[in-house]
Amino acid sequence: AQSVAQPEDQVNVAEGNPLTVKCTYSVSGNPYLFWYVQYPNRGLQFLLKYITGDNLVKGSYGFEAEFNKSQTSFHLKKPSALVSDSALYFCAVRGSGGSQGNLIFGKGTKLSVKP
Amino acid sequence: KAGVTQTPRYLIKTRGQQVTLSCSPISGHRSVSWYQQTPGQGLQFLFEYFSETQRNKGNFPGRFSGRQFSNSRSEMNVSTLELGDSALYLCASSLGEDYTFGSGTRLTVV
Repeated sequence: AQSVAQPEDQVNVAEGNPLTVKCTYSVSGNPYLFWYVQYPNRGLQFLLKYITGDNLVKGSYGFEAEFNKSQTSFHLKKPSALVSDSALYFCAVRGSGGSQGNLIFGKGTKLSVKP
Repeated sequence: KAGVTQTPRYLIKTRGQQVTLSCSPISGHRSVSWYQQTPGQGLQFLFEYFSETQRNKGNFPGRFSGRQFSNSRSEMNVSTLELGDSALYLCASSLGEDYTFGSGTRLTVV
């Protein structure tokens, strides 16, 4: 069965410092991986995805993620955090086989960026 | 282009009532999936529809049901509401590997 783990409930970073939000996954076959961000009382906004190709994926708002097959990880990174990056971040993997239409989410990581 | 539209944005219902939520996908997207988000359980998959057929279903009781129309718009229905059904319900419209979410419907059961 597919699963996603986000080991940190919360990540605290000072503005201007680099940030990393961790994600590991377990899937059968090739993983389709996604990162979404959620602001309070809003839906999920797409940041980036890995389907195939380069292991370093660049996305929206200066975010990037590195796919590591041997470590089954897909950590989200940003070189310089902004206060406005404070939000809830979700890693997801697309289901396989008969579940290809849905996403399986991690529990989310709350990112707090302080000035 | 227009995004995914979910209506209504907020709902307050009483235990035992039923509720219907609507999701209009991005034009051309034939797949619509529904998710329930709660603080305790996170984001959980409810069901997915493709070309008016339920293609996949999550682990929810039969009180939760859905359907999709020929124009790809989808509705989900929850009957005999319980307090624990209070949640943010999100729908996603997808084409290939692109999933776009609506802003959600916040359901409060009192």
